Amino acid sequence: NAGVTQTPKFQVLKTGQSMTLQCAQDMNHEYMSWYRQDPGMGLRLIHYSVGAGITDQGEVPNGYNVSRSTTEDFPLRLLSAAPSQTSVYFCASSLTGEGEKLFFGSGTQLSVL
Amino acid sequence: SQQGEEDPQALSIQEGENATMNCSYKTSINNLQWYRQNSGRGLVHLILIRSNEREKHSGRLRVTLDTSKKSSSLLITASRAADTASYFCATDRRGYNKLIFGAGTRLAVHP
Repeated sequence: NAGVTQTPKFQVLKTGQSMTLQCAQDMNHEYMSWYRQDPGMGLRLIHYSVGAGITDQGEVPNGYNVSRSTTEDFPLRLLSAAPSQTSVYFCASSLTGEGEKLFFGSGTQLSVL
Repeated sequence: SQQGEEDPQALSIQEGENATMNCSYKTSINNLQWYRQNSGRGLVHLILIRSNEREKHSGRLRVTLDTSKKSSSLLITASRAADTASYFCATDRRGYNKLIFGAGTRLAVHP
């Protein structure tokens, strides 16, 4: 049972480049979410999804897009990377969302030069 | 803005001592959770306490919740070097599918 899988683990981008961070879970969880973690800031919610075809914004959605075409996958897209998006990104999932514990992936460390 | 704020930001203790971390939040909540993060890893869920509960235990962990003061505490008893990690509280509100995290407490347990 793999749980929540994120790829890649590390990525370096130049300003203006685009890329997609992948997240997949094999636990049949309805709820999936993306967080970014910056030093001293804890985790901040970027986007979340309560099921296939449904997405919504979190605390810091600007500069990021998401889609949820299947229950298993929840990719995060950076359309035009900026240095302010240098961070560690975590994907997390739970069975239904509210009131449930989150299962986290191991993270993607992204640097934007 | 973050809902939860942990206190202290950093805590350094000796093995065998107890560690207490506090979390304060701003608005009414449905549930409060505590997570642990080892350096360079994803977060791991420790315990969930619902707004109608006042105390919960799990092994060496004890969590209290005071909704009148909008605060929670996490107590780790008889700490071990392996407890060295960052600890985060996270809250959600009824009807909002968002789990909001605080900035965390870095705990160092020295052998």
